[in-house]
Amino acid sequence: GEDVEQSLFLSVREGDSSVINCTYTDSSSTYLYWYKQEPGAGLQLLTYIFSNMDMKQDQRLTVLLNKKDKHLSLRIADTQTGDSAIYFCAESTSYNNNDMRFGAGTRLTVKP
Amino acid sequence: DAGVIQSPRHEVTEMGQEVTLRCKPISGHDYLFWYRQTMMRGLELLIYFNNNVPIDDSGMPEDRFSAKMPNASFSTLKIQPSEPRDSAVYFCASSLSGAREGYTFGSGTRLTVV
Repeated sequence: GEDVEQSLFLSVREGDSSVINCTYTDSSSTYLYWYKQEPGAGLQLLTYIFSNMDMKQDQRLTVLLNKKDKHLSLRIADTQTGDSAIYFCAESTSYNNNDMRFGAGTRLTVKP
Repeated sequence: DAGVIQSPRHEVTEMGQEVTLRCKPISGHDYLFWYRQTMMRGLELLIYFNNNVPIDDSGMPEDRFSAKMPNASFSTLKIQPSEPRDSAVYFCASSLSGAREGYTFGSGTRLTVV
């Protein structure tokens, strides 16, 4: 089946930038998402991007999409300890945009 | 809006018992999704509904699992009989327009079957 892949762990210092990467295999992917999951909580939608966009910025978050390489990244500027969480990349396709496929999640640890 | 509400937050049950998980979606959302999260398999879509009608239940593991949505504001996921391998966090999510603008997730039910 089609896969969404992420590295499992990332550790950064407070105040640095974090970059979380994701690759996907389905060339029909139309919508790509980043979710954040804090301990004991559900997934919270951070941002999403349509496949006809290259970049989307929202305050400290910047999403970059390289459709040719099927690569998505989330950059968090000035990372804070409150950003420590698991970040999930997800995608849905134009032929079934009621189904969302998730990566395994990247655990971001922010050290003071 | 209170968001997607799931109950109970935690459930511990003995193998063989029936378990019922509950979900109240966001008012006005016409899609409802049930996911299961485990360390080994990550997030798995079990079933989703559109306008209270089950659309895709191909992710339901086996006949021991069943889901219903009797009205627009309530859904249940039932496991009967439960087994230790069903231990996981079960999430309900709802959305207004399918996947287009993302889902809103509940806080989940952590199920432990002993």
